[in-house]
Amino acid sequence: QVQLVQSGAEVKKPGASVKVSCKASGYTFTGYYMHWVRQAPGQGLEWMGWMNPNSGDTSYAQKFQGRVTMTGDTSISTAYMELGRLTSDDTAVYYCVTNIGAADVGGNWFDPWGQGTLVTVSS
Amino acid sequence: DIVMTQSPDSLTVSLGERATINCKSSQSVLYSSNNKNYLAWYQQKPGQPPKLLIYWASTRESGVPDRFSASGSGTDFTLTISSLQAEDVAVYYCHQYYTTPYTFGQGTKLEIK
Repeated sequence: QVQLVQSGAEVKKPGASVKVSCKASGYTFTGYYMHWVRQAPGQGLEWMGWMNPNSGDTSYAQKFQGRVTMTGDTSISTAYMELGRLTSDDTAVYYCVTNIGAADVGGNWFDPWGQGTLVTVSS
Repeated sequence: DIVMTQSPDSLTVSLGERATINCKSSQSVLYSSNNKNYLAWYQQKPGQPPKLLIYWASTRESGVPDRFSASGSGTDFTLTISSLQAEDVAVYYCHQYYTTPYTFGQGTKLEIK
């Protein structure tokens, strides 16, 4: 079955960077964009951007431009999201999510989701 | 950016009763060329990622109970749970995938009375 398995929780100091991984299985990794969505504690969902695993093309939300890098390694079907210059406002659960099913019919709803990775930024 | 606004922020409903959540977008998410609304609904339970319930504004995802239904077009949308079950306690989000940046409503917390 389709699965996205993310790396474990991270604790980082302000100003540092974090790199979260997302290993895909059960489908053709290069066939569907990988998106990243974050959720601060007790807050709503915030889309960060997408990466095309086939071409490496990316599109980032303006809020994260210059601070986020989304990449992929097709040899191991794994996507990565690196966020730099961390502040306490970046404390959140980070989800990778793809759009299988949606993309085939011209949509872009999000399913399935990874389990989430908690990133805590604290001095 | 398209702003998604849900109402109410929280909702308390008795078991077996109807629950209705509204979502309004700051601009239309109806794509005229295919007459489809680029709007999805998700359910999120504590400690879990969101789960897709509805796409194209009214199409139920496979496996989602038929007590969940949704409607609306353009800028105004509604998610309805016809007969609330205990397992429906969750936060519900609407999501527009019409254009980037993709955006979500702030969420509606649904509880049992």
